[in-house]
This record gives sequence, structure tokens and C-alpha cells, in this order.
Amino acid sequence: GNSVTQMEGPVTLSEEAFLTINCTYTATGYPSLFWYVQYPGEGLQLLLKATKADDKGSNKGFEATYRKETTSFHLEKGSVQVSDSAVYFCALILYSGNTPLVFGKGTRLSVIA
Amino acid sequence: DARVTQTPRHKVTEMGQEVTMRCQPILGHNTVFWYRQTMMQGLELLAYFRNRAPLDDSGMPKDRFSAEMPDATLATLKIQPSEPRDSAVYFCASGSTLGNQPQHFGDGTRLSIL
Repeated sequence: GNSVTQMEGPVTLSEEAFLTINCTYTATGYPSLFWYVQYPGEGLQLLLKATKADDKGSNKGFEATYRKETTSFHLEKGSVQVSDSAVYFCALILYSGNTPLVFGKGTRLSVIA
Repeated sequence: DARVTQTPRHKVTEMGQEVTMRCQPILGHNTVFWYRQTMMQGLELLAYFRNRAPLDDSGMPKDRFSAEMPDATLATLKIQPSEPRDSAVYFCASGSTLGNQPQHFGDGTRLSIL
């Protein structure tokens, strides 16, 4: 089956620290990969995406590279801010953008000043 | 910006009561998803529709849950009778089969069944 595994949280970092949240996937086909972010009390917002191997998605200082050889899509940011505190979800879709997302369990990030 | 609108944002009710959650997808989107979020299970797909037709509702307990799209601007998720284990945040998302656009999520309905 199709599944996403991401590192357990919570992750607590000081402001300006480097962030990595690991994500690996299992898929029966060739998926598109996504990172979504959920701020408290809100829905999920797309943070970045990559649709083929070696693509790098980036947004708001966050980056993730689609690594087919390691089936990974790790999220990174060079210098986190307090406003980055949220829950981050790695997800995949097979075939098209309008089939259901398969989500990881989410990783809660807390950034302290 | 276009948004997916969900109502109500919060619902507290007693077990056995009927609960109806509503979703207005983004205008022009032809695919609507219902997801449920709990601490234990994370985000799970309950059902989804394309062009108002149900494509998959295997994630829903059929004896108590029902999902419909009366028209292109409204999707509903009903629970009857509700149980405490249904307490969760229910998200609606919409998307389009045109191009390679991501799904857009509403802010969710936080449901508490006492």
C-alpha cells in the first residue's frame, strides 16, 4: 500500500536554529509529494510540493527535495522563527492532484525565542 | 483568495444526536474530500466526490455516517446517531482536475460528542 512516515515530534528549537523534519514514503506508483502546515485552530495549508524525482520544492525559506533513490522528502529550513511553530505534515498523491492525499502523522514544531 | 468554507466551526452535542457539517468548495473545483483528524489516527480520508458523484466512501462507518453533494456549491457530512468516539476535527478540501493544482482545505469543524 501507500504510506508516509515522518519523524515523531514534538520538535523544540531555538529561534534561528536549523530545522530538518524527516519524511519517507512507500508508494505503488510514482507519487507527487507535499508538505502541508497547520497553524493552531486552522486548516492545512500547502507549504511546498515536488512532482518528480530531484525536484526541489521551496516556499517561505523551507525546502524539500524529492529523492527517489531513498524514497524521501525531508523538510529543511536554515533559520526558524517563532512564527514557524505549527504542525507539519508530509503527504503524497498518486496519479493526479485530485485523488486523496495520504498523510504522515504530523510533526509538531515549537520555536522558542 | 478563494477559500473552502466549513460550518459550523465548533459543535458540541450529546451522544445520540444528529450532527450535520457543511462545506462550500472553491467555485469551479469539481472534487471534494472529507478528512477526519484525531490525535490517535492522524488525518484519515472519509469520502470524496468528483463532479458530485461519490468515488470512495470506504473510510466512513456506513451505519452512522453519510456524505452527499446536493449541488456543486455544497457538500454535507452527517452523523446519526453520534457517539463520543466521533469527536474529532473534520476537514473538507476541494480541488480541480484541471491542471496540477493542490487541494485547498477549510478550517475544519471541531466536533465534541459528550
